[in-house]
Amino acid sequence: EEQLVESGGGLVKPGGSLRLSCAASGFIFSSFSMNWVRQAPGKGLEWVSSINSGSTSIYYPDSMRGRFTVSRDNAKNSLYLQMNSLTVDDTAMYYCARDPTAGVANYFDLWGQGVLVTVSS
Amino acid sequence: EIVLTQSPDFQSVTPKEKVTITCRASQSIGRSLHWYQQKPNQPPKLLIKYASQSISGVPSRFSGSGSGTDFTLTISSLEAEDAAVYYCHQTTSLPLTFGGGTKVEIK
Repeated sequence: EEQLVESGGGLVKPGGSLRLSCAASGFIFSSFSMNWVRQAPGKGLEWVSSINSGSTSIYYPDSMRGRFTVSRDNAKNSLYLQMNSLTVDDTAMYYCARDPTAGVANYFDLWGQGVLVTVSS
Repeated sequence: EIVLTQSPDFQSVTPKEKVTITCRASQSIGRSLHWYQQKPNQPPKLLIKYASQSISGVPSRFSGSGSGTDFTLTISSLEAEDAAVYYCHQTTSLPLTFGGGTKVEIK
């Protein structure tokens, strides 16, 4: 069964850092681009980052560039999101999601269950 | 940034009724528009890709149409299990963006 499982969330103080992980199984991870999408409590979906299969193309929205860093380890079938200088506005459920191609900017055909990040003093 | 505006924000519908949700893009996006369904405490699920292409395993009562700036998701005959929030998503250009969502409630 194809599966994505996020981990690493939790409570962090404003200004703090957190590293999220996403473990993939049931498919050839190295063949697909991956993404992070977040959802603040009671709000809609917001794209956070994209990384292609070979880590040669990486993208963020302007609001997150410089604070968030996406990476992947194809040997470990894992996707990561390093988040620094966190603010209360970063409080959200963070989902990893698969792009069905090796490139970026396509739909997301597989989603993890999400991991909650709470930024609060 | 391409802004996607969904309407309505909320819809209360009787089972077996037809449901129509629209998504309007702030500029032309061709057919790079996708639809997701999100039930409470679950991740989004892909329903329709590239405006009108069906997804394996998704019931045939879900269909999509449109191109350019105006798109529609149709549920031909609503079932109780379709209570959810529906989102459109454009992948024509970065940043990737989502519509604000349409909540469908069962009467």
